[in-house]
Amino acid sequence: GQQVMQIPQYQHVQEGEDFTTYCNSSTTLSNIQWYKQRPGGHPVFLIQLVKSGEVKKQKRLTFQFGEAKKNSSLHITATQTTDVGTYFCHLNNAGNMLTFGGGTRLMVKP
Amino acid sequence: GAVVSQHPSRVICKSGTSVKIECRSLDFQATTMFWYRQFPKQSLMLMATSNEGSKATYEQGVEKDKFLINHASLTLSTLTVTSAHPEDSSFYICSARQGRKAFFGQGTRLTVV
Repeated sequence: GQQVMQIPQYQHVQEGEDFTTYCNSSTTLSNIQWYKQRPGGHPVFLIQLVKSGEVKKQKRLTFQFGEAKKNSSLHITATQTTDVGTYFCHLNNAGNMLTFGGGTRLMVKP
Repeated sequence: GAVVSQHPSRVICKSGTSVKIECRSLDFQATTMFWYRQFPKQSLMLMATSNEGSKATYEQGVEKDKFLINHASLTLSTLTVTSAHPEDSSFYICSARQGRKAFFGQGTRLTVV
């Protein structure tokens, strides 16, 4: 079956530092979505990546989809306290199986 | 984005009773909805896929008779936790798919005492 690894599990950064979370799949993906969940809240859709090698930006957030469509990353430049939360990747493979990564919990020190 | 409403947001019930959680897609029709369970500081675990007009598809290890799912219309799916026990206490979240995107409800925090 499909295996997903999201790293790191936790990340503490000083406000202003950069942050990156990685999501790796054992199988080729149709697409990948990224979600953010604030403490006590529900996952909120951030972005979807579909094309091999795709790069998308949302203000300080940069999302990448690997050439082989097996991995993806989310990079935040100059973190702010509002970036605190858990970031999940959500995978959809050719068999239409949906799986969440384990999440990366980001903590930002002001 | 699309809106998915989940109700109630919090519920406390006595052990042995049943609890119904509703998930509604407010501005789109969803032939497929998903139910997840999330333990503290952990990821979302898919419990079942709810299909409008047919039986739900449950993930391995999820008891069908304990977690009853009904998807009676294109905008509503319900999850009923039957004969709840303290170990069923958790955060339950639904999502509805619109195209390739999934939109989540606000979640229901269930506490069984």
